[in-house]
Amino acid sequence: GAVVSQHPSRVICKSGTSVKIECRSLDFQATTMFWYRQFPKQSLMLMATSNEGSKATYEQGVEKDKFLINHASLTLSTLTVTSAHPEDSSFYICSAVVGWETQYFGPGTRLLVL
Amino acid sequence: AQTVTQSQPEMSVQEAETVTLSCTYDTSESNYYLFWYKQPPSRQMILVIRQEAYKQQNATENRFSVNFQKAAKSFSLKISDSQLGDTAMYFCAFMTSPGTASKLTFGTGTRLQVTL
Repeated sequence: GAVVSQHPSRVICKSGTSVKIECRSLDFQATTMFWYRQFPKQSLMLMATSNEGSKATYEQGVEKDKFLINHASLTLSTLTVTSAHPEDSSFYICSAVVGWETQYFGPGTRLLVL
Repeated sequence: AQTVTQSQPEMSVQEAETVTLSCTYDTSESNYYLFWYKQPPSRQMILVIRQEAYKQQNATENRFSVNFQKAAKSFSLKISDSQLGDTAMYFCAFMTSPGTASKLTFGTGTRLQVTL
């Protein structure tokens, strides 16, 4: 199957700093990637849809100025959590679309904001 | 709006036995895709199986098969010969098929424990 990587796998940062998470499709090109957030023992919550070469589409209630998404190439999308606070601590997962219907997921990034 | 319901929060099965996880969905669309994803303790989401709504034949991937009942809007997953490595959270997901990449709607998940 298609392989999607995320970096870093785990990050700890101080409150007020910004953190960038990378999502790469390793063996295919993805015009569309998705970013999710997952709280413990819960399902995935879609944050935004990232389209190569255009602005991301954010879900209702997700602050686009706080969660900056850039999809500059067909293999890379980045999520930057700006001015992170403890409530932003979570597990962030990206996915990349193969064809137009099947999403393959990255391994996730655990963010802890102190 | 589409909804996906997984009514079994937790299930347990003995190794080598068969287990069925249930999923129902609600939609007014006629063309769509259905998926089962597995999330083991590593938290990596893994695609288990997918079904295209216009195909009447149930999808099968090795020990995993689905029972797709379109009229009843039901999409259950059967795991045969359960293995310890099948222990994971299983999410049912729905996607409409507009011809461009579309969002997944996930169920709340079923935690499956495979025991010796």
